[in-house]
Order: sequence, then structure tokens, then C-alpha cells
Amino acid sequence: AQSVTQLDSHVSVSEGTPVLLRCNYSSSYSPSLFWYVQHPNKGLQLLLKYTSAATLVKGINGFEAEFKKSETSFHLTKPSAHMSDAAEYFCVVSENGYTGGFKTIFGAGTRLFVKA
Amino acid sequence: DGGITQSPKYLFRKEGQNVTLSCEQNLNHDAMYWYRQDPGQGLRLIYYSQIVNDFQKGDIAEGYSVSREKKESFPLTVTSAQKNPTAFYLCASSEPLAGTGNTIYFGEGSWLTVV
Repeated sequence: AQSVTQLDSHVSVSEGTPVLLRCNYSSSYSPSLFWYVQHPNKGLQLLLKYTSAATLVKGINGFEAEFKKSETSFHLTKPSAHMSDAAEYFCVVSENGYTGGFKTIFGAGTRLFVKA
Repeated sequence: DGGITQSPKYLFRKEGQNVTLSCEQNLNHDAMYWYRQDPGQGLRLIYYSQIVNDFQKGDIAEGYSVSREKKESFPLTVTSAQKNPTAFYLCASSEPLAGTGNTIYFGEGSWLTVV
């Protein structure tokens, strides 16, 4: 069965310190994994995605994520937080539906707070 | 600029009313989706469409209806049968139907509140 778990509902960091948002997944097949960011009252914007190429994926705004199959994890990191990074982040797993259709599952989200 | 336009941004519904949320995309995507977002929860799929004149129920389709008469348009009607419609609604699209590696692009969302 396919699932995605974001391990923290809230993360608080100080500006200039590293960010770590954790995501674990389960998938029956080789999945694609995504991180999206959502600012208040806005749609979701793609930060980065993994599609079975390089396991370390670089995204926009200095974010990156590493796919670790042995740990079934896809954690999102950034070396130095900026105030503008404060938002909600969603980890997403997607796979082809071998019985037809598709399966895309969104995590519950992690709210990132950045303190000045 | 290419993108997805949702309207209205804010909508109020009276008890027993049907309301329609508009979604237009100029990305030339075949697949379109409607998601519902409630506070503290992830997105839940209401309906999706792979191609014009075809659509499929998602995980929470009860109380909703859609149409896909044009490639660029995928309106969502929230009917009076939806007992708890207050939520943030997100329209999205992808090329083609989302699966391995296909990015889903989102509109800015619409807030629906029951009054």
C-alpha cells in the first residue's frame, strides 16, 4: 500500500540555521517523490522532485532532498533558513496505477516557522 | 504567462445552495484535478479528468460534480448534498495523468464558506 508520513507537524528554526523536514514513504513500486511549498491562502508550488535519477535532488530557493531507499525516506533540507521560508511543506508520493489510473498521496504537511 | 486560474477566490454558500468553482488552465495539459484541503490535513482528491468529456471520481466525490467540455476548463459544483463544504479547494493539472515523474501544477485556490 502506498503512504507518506511527515514526521513533524510543526518545525521551528531561527533565521540562518539549517532546516530539516522529515518524510517517510511506502510504495509498492518505484515511486516518484515530490516536495511542495504552500504559503498562506495560496496554491502549492513545486520545490523539487525525485524520479529515479540522482538520489540527491536540488530544488528551488536552496532546498534539496535525498532519496534513501533503504530508509524509505525523502527528507527536505536547507543549509540556512530565511524568513521567507516560513510556510507549509508537503511531501508527495506518486506512482503509476498498474491496475489503471494513478495514485498520488499527499502528506499531512509540516508547518515551518522561522524566528528572527 | 501560463498557469491555472481559479475563481472566485472567496465564495459563500447558503444552506441548500449549489455553487460552482471555476478552473481554467492555459498549460495545454490533458489531465486536470480538484482537491479539497482542510486545516491540518493533506490534500484529498475529489475528481480528476484525463481527457475532454471524461472524468473519474476521486476519494471524496460525494456531494460534488464536475464537467470537462473543454480541454482548458474543469469546473467543480459543490451541491447541497455536500454536508460539510467549508474548505479550501485547489484545482490542478498535469501532462499527462499524474504518475511516475509527472508534476502536478496548482492554481491559487478558492475558499468556500457555508453561511
